[in-house]
Amino acid sequence: TQLLEQSPQFLSIQEGENLTVYCNSSSVFSSLQWYRQEPGEGPVLLVTVVTGGEVKKLKRLTFQFGDARKDSSLHITAAQPGDTGLYLCAGAGVKAAGNKLTFGGGTRVLVKP
Amino acid sequence: DTEVTQTPKHLVMGMTNKKSLKCEQHMGHRAMYWYKQKAKKPPELMFVYSYEKLSINESVPSRFSPECPNSSLLNLHLHALQPEDSALYLCASSQAGSPRGETQYFGPGTRLLVL
Repeated sequence: TQLLEQSPQFLSIQEGENLTVYCNSSSVFSSLQWYRQEPGEGPVLLVTVVTGGEVKKLKRLTFQFGDARKDSSLHITAAQPGDTGLYLCAGAGVKAAGNKLTFGGGTRVLVKP
Repeated sequence: DTEVTQTPKHLVMGMTNKKSLKCEQHMGHRAMYWYKQKAKKPPELMFVYSYEKLSINESVPSRFSPECPNSSLLNLHLHALQPEDSALYLCASSQAGSPRGETQYFGPGTRLLVL
């Protein structure tokens, strides 16, 4: 069974501060996806990372995939209230067991104005 | 277009009712999924359809019955549900057959309340 540990579970910061969310596993993933979800809505895809060591930037968001493809991080620079939401990481196994994703437990981010 | 649509947005049903949730995508994806999500928890996989065939059933109770009429549509038929089945039901789709794992695109969800 693959597990994906996501930390922290909750982050409350002031507008303009930076934050980092981590996803760690002892398993290797063939790809990893990051989503943001607002209450009562479906998760919205932010990025997919597939190559070990890969860094992707999406405006103020920076995503990293670890060299060994076991961990990933999401860094937000100068957070804004619109960044508030539940951030989910989800990994696809190397053996792609029937398209199953392993989800992290989620990080609830609150950016206060 | 990376849109997955779901209807209805909200559903309230009694424990003796029969209802259906619908999901549609026009991205040419050949894998479709149903997830259940409780408040403050990540989505839990229920079913996976690959090329219109059921490939994964995560030991879901028979009161949930999935159906994939064609490659664009996915239904979830509900019958004799329990109050604990109240949750956000999410549909997702992805291309099938990718060797590096598949990005899943989620719909907006159906918020279900069972009374």
